[in-house]
Amino acid sequence: GIQVEQSPPDLILQEGANSTLRCNFSDSVNNLQWFHQNPWGQLINLFYIPSGTKQNGRLSATTVATERYSLLYISSSQTTDSGVYFCAGVIKAAGNKLTFGGGTRVLVKP
Amino acid sequence: KAGVTQTPRYLIKTRGQQVTLSCSPISGHRSVSWYQQTPGQGLQFLFEYFSETQRNKGNFPGRFSGRQFSNSRSEMNVSTLELGDSALYLCASSLRQFTGELFFGEGSRLTVL
Repeated sequence: GIQVEQSPPDLILQEGANSTLRCNFSDSVNNLQWFHQNPWGQLINLFYIPSGTKQNGRLSATTVATERYSLLYISSSQTTDSGVYFCAGVIKAAGNKLTFGGGTRVLVKP
Repeated sequence: KAGVTQTPRYLIKTRGQQVTLSCSPISGHRSVSWYQQTPGQGLQFLFEYFSETQRNKGNFPGRFSGRQFSNSRSEMNVSTLELGDSALYLCASSLRQFTGELFFGEGSRLTVL
């Protein structure tokens, strides 16, 4: 079946550390996005990144659509970066449905 | 510009009852999609509405239904509730169907007893 795999599933960081989260798609994907789910459950849009690289403060993302993966970089992590990070994309083979990865749970320790 | 608004935020129902959740999209957005999040299944697509028409549907039983009004506001309904329907229900809006950036509401947390 169509799969969106995120790695690692869990990540513990010391404040100030850098990290890379990865998202792999089993099929061609469009409209790839990264979200951060806050403690109250809301999905906060981080990047809409169908291809290329974008940066927003300490966060940046790169999508290589031809190789079906995307990376989210967190630099100089802060405790407020804790939470679950999801990638999602519209996969034509899955009927143009937005398909989410399983998430990466990040804990940044002070 | 106001974000996506979902109501109610929290609700408790018992098995067999039905529930209606509401979602008001960002002004100007015509696409509204719904998602169910559970610890076991993660985030799953329920359906998408665009211009009052259901454009896409996920793999959920017919007990899950929805509609969209002319002002783009959307409702989803779950009938004959089961314990497994307990979940966070998230709504998202976007300018276009299938494509474009999605913006999510805060969700409606449903508990079925």
